[in-house]
Amino acid sequence: AQRVTQPEKLLSVFKGAPVELKCNYSYSGSPELFWYVQYSRQRLQLLLRHISRESIKGFTADLNKGETSFHLKKPFAQEEDSAMYYCAPSHGSGNTGKLIFGQGTTLQVKP
Amino acid sequence: DVKVTQSSRYLVKRTGEKVFLECVQDMDHENMFWYRQDPGLGLRLIYFSYDVKMKEKGDIPEGYSVSREKKERFSLILESASTNQTSMYLCASSLRVNYNEQFFGPGTRLTVL
Repeated sequence: AQRVTQPEKLLSVFKGAPVELKCNYSYSGSPELFWYVQYSRQRLQLLLRHISRESIKGFTADLNKGETSFHLKKPFAQEEDSAMYYCAPSHGSGNTGKLIFGQGTTLQVKP
Repeated sequence: DVKVTQSSRYLVKRTGEKVFLECVQDMDHENMFWYRQDPGLGLRLIYFSYDVKMKEKGDIPEGYSVSREKKERFSLILESASTNQTSMYLCASSLRVNYNEQFFGPGTRLTVL
């Protein structure tokens, strides 16, 4: 069965510290992988996708097919990074592209 | 600007009531989705639709139904609300050609008493 796991419910770091939010997936084939973010009182929104190899707000995510992981990283956390982060692999059939969201990790960046 | 709107931010209903949650998008997206968001469980897909009058079950469809009569509108229906349906409900939409970039509504916090 397709599964995605975010092992940490809460990650608390100090401003300026490195951050790594873990995501492990169990999928057949080659899923596309995404990170979505929800800031306080805001809508859930796409943060980044692995296929574009982009860096958004200083975050990057490397796909490790051997470990089936897609961890989200940032070298220096900022207070405005405090939010809920969801890892979301996609294994779409046809054009519907269902995303499977992980349980979410709350990142708390302390001053 | 991309917009997905949901009819209510907060809703309180009684057990056994029929509940309608409405979602409207103005982006001409083909795909629309309904999720529920619960702490520790993340987002779970209830139903989705990839075209008008088309619908498919997600991971937790029991106790829910949907309706998509127009492209821009996707309704979630709780036929007989129960307390375990108390949750945050999120609607999303996406283009068929870029189906994984989903745009979300603000959410409806439903409480069933």
